[in-house]
Amino acid sequence: EAGVAQSPRYKIIEKRQSVAFWCNPISGHATLYWYQQILGQGPKLLIQFQNNGVVDDSQLPKDRFSAERLKGVDSTLKIQPAKLEDSAVYLCASSRYLDSYEQYFGPGTRLTVT
Amino acid sequence: LAKTTQPISMDSYEGQEVNITCSHNNIATNDYITWYQQFPSQGPRFIIQGYKTKVTNEVASLFIPADRKSSTLSLPRVSLSDTAVYYCLTPNNTDKLIFGTGTRLQVFP
Repeated sequence: EAGVAQSPRYKIIEKRQSVAFWCNPISGHATLYWYQQILGQGPKLLIQFQNNGVVDDSQLPKDRFSAERLKGVDSTLKIQPAKLEDSAVYLCASSRYLDSYEQYFGPGTRLTVT
Repeated sequence: LAKTTQPISMDSYEGQEVNITCSHNNIATNDYITWYQQFPSQGPRFIIQGYKTKVTNEVASLFIPADRKSSTLSLPRVSLSDTAVYYCLTPNNTDKLIFGTGTRLQVFP
């Protein structure tokens, strides 16, 4: 079974620029999560999808962050415009069921904002 | 905020058993306790989950006393490759897993 795929693995941008991350979850997993992990901290949930609908985006900074999962499979997370404090690893995870405690994480995208 | 408390770091040597204890005093009746492992430059990986008493799999054992206010992750005979951050998690009031800062385990030769 293929794991969660993410791209790019690394991205360096200047502040105020835009960036997008892509995630392909494990086949058959209806639930998809985006997490932000700042260095030295645990992952923080940004948004959760069930199929193509948003279940929880309470911690997503909606003035600059957006995410979509149009066909209920792949997902993109966008930041526009980026700030220095957005430097972090952005992790995508998927699970078979809604709010499953067994989530499968991708390798993440390391974003550096200069 | 994470509802769990665990040591910030632990050191061990190869071949030893490592026990990481997590405190979750306010765990709800229906909550499970879940542990994840994270290696550098990788996403977290699910290790084990339990509700009460003892759970064992090929990676670890999880011990949960009757009052369920704490749990202990046991890693038998650790190797250098077990060096990682270990997270103890319980769900929040909307059933979401909240990651704290975890326990950084360093295994020495």
